[in-house]
Amino acid sequence: GQQLNQSPQSMFIQEGEDVSMNCTSSSIFNTWLWYKQEPGEGPVLLIALYKAGELTSNGRLTAQFGITRKDSFLNISASIPSDVGIYFCAVMNYGGSQGNLIFGKGTKLSVKP
Amino acid sequence: EAGVAQSPRYKIIEKRQSVAFWCNPISGHATLYWYQQILGQGPKLLIQFQNNGVVDDSQLPKDRFSAERLKGVDSTLKIQPAKLEDSAVYLCASSKRGMGLDEQYFGPGTRLTVT
Repeated sequence: GQQLNQSPQSMFIQEGEDVSMNCTSSSIFNTWLWYKQEPGEGPVLLIALYKAGELTSNGRLTAQFGITRKDSFLNISASIPSDVGIYFCAVMNYGGSQGNLIFGKGTKLSVKP
Repeated sequence: EAGVAQSPRYKIIEKRQSVAFWCNPISGHATLYWYQQILGQGPKLLIQFQNNGVVDDSQLPKDRFSAERLKGVDSTLKIQPAKLEDSAVYLCASSKRGMGLDEQYFGPGTRLTVT
């Protein structure tokens, strides 16, 4: 089946550092999304990307939709302890009459104060 | 606005037993999704409802899993009989219309442990 490759699998960083993670696919997708999941909670949407080459920011978060439509990256600037969690990329798979989401395996972020 | 509600939050059962999970989506949301999230993985779609009809159940193991959304509002997901590999978090999500640009809102999930 279709698969998203997310890297790195985990990151341990110092508070204040910048973070970068990415997601690649062997197939073209027209909608890319980034979610954050905290322990005991469901994923929460951070950023949605709808156009190849698009660069979108949400506070300290910046995400880009690759020009080939096969990849995306997420940057977090000046990390803080509450950034801890698992970050998932996802794509909208338009099969049949409506789309559904395919998720990557996630990048686990740990921030040391 | 209240979020997606799920219960129970945790469940421990023995293999071959049955279990049911309940989900109440955000009011007015037509589309409801059930996902399975195995430890260390991203969520995987099991079934998608549009109102009370099934849109996609291609990844639902139908020999043991069943789901219903009889009145087009809340939904139940059942596993009978459970296997060890069913241990996972079961997430429910909802969206207004289920169209591509519609945001999906996730509940907190039910963590199932099968022993």
